[in-house]
Amino acid sequence: DTAVSQTPKYLVTQMGNDKSIKCEQNLGHDTMYWYKQDSKKFLKIMFSYNNKELIINETVPNRFSPKSPDKAHLNLHINSLELGDSAVYFCASSFSPDTQYFGPGTRLTVL
Amino acid sequence: GENVEQHPSTLSVQEGDSAVIKCTYSDSASNYFPWYKQELGKGPQLIIDIRSNVGEKKDQRIAVTLNKTAKHFSLHITETQPEDSAVYFCAAGGGNAGGTSYGKLTFGQGTILTVHP
Repeated sequence: DTAVSQTPKYLVTQMGNDKSIKCEQNLGHDTMYWYKQDSKKFLKIMFSYNNKELIINETVPNRFSPKSPDKAHLNLHINSLELGDSAVYFCASSFSPDTQYFGPGTRLTVL
Repeated sequence: GENVEQHPSTLSVQEGDSAVIKCTYSDSASNYFPWYKQELGKGPQLIIDIRSNVGEKKDQRIAVTLNKTAKHFSLHITETQPEDSAVYFCAAGGGNAGGTSYGKLTFGQGTILTVHP
């Protein structure tokens, strides 16, 4: 019955590595989002995709690349990880521009 | 772009008391104002939302008010319970269809609510 799911829940990696986080929603929504929550709990949008098309692209380093293979999936690939990338990353989905439903989050720790 | 300010950053109340969290926003084009509750180790969960054509909305112990002229909106929780303890976020968004801000939510800084038994 999971509405928005993310894998993995925890990700610990070394600086310089490349990693991916996956997101899937079974709500039939047409829009998916990635948010970053920093250590002070501040939530900031990074990207949104509507029907596999990039809609929102905030000022995010180009080391971050979202990919949407279909409407139900939005993955986030991060190249050359840095210490400052450590955060909790949340995926969300909606019938744009309506209510957004969040996933459980992926805690990324870069050592 | 939109800027959302949220106050207070922490709020401590006794069980049964009311709690009020206030937010202001800057973009008059915003027309959708949700509130989220985030418990430790979990994702934000929508608890109530309001749109710009409504001034007040209530759902059991939770109510939200919106003043579009002053660009502020508030969350009211009555008869608080220990399980209401969490971080609460306000957000503003909506924007115009086809615009680059369409569907974008800008969040406040969050309020840590603690309800003491």
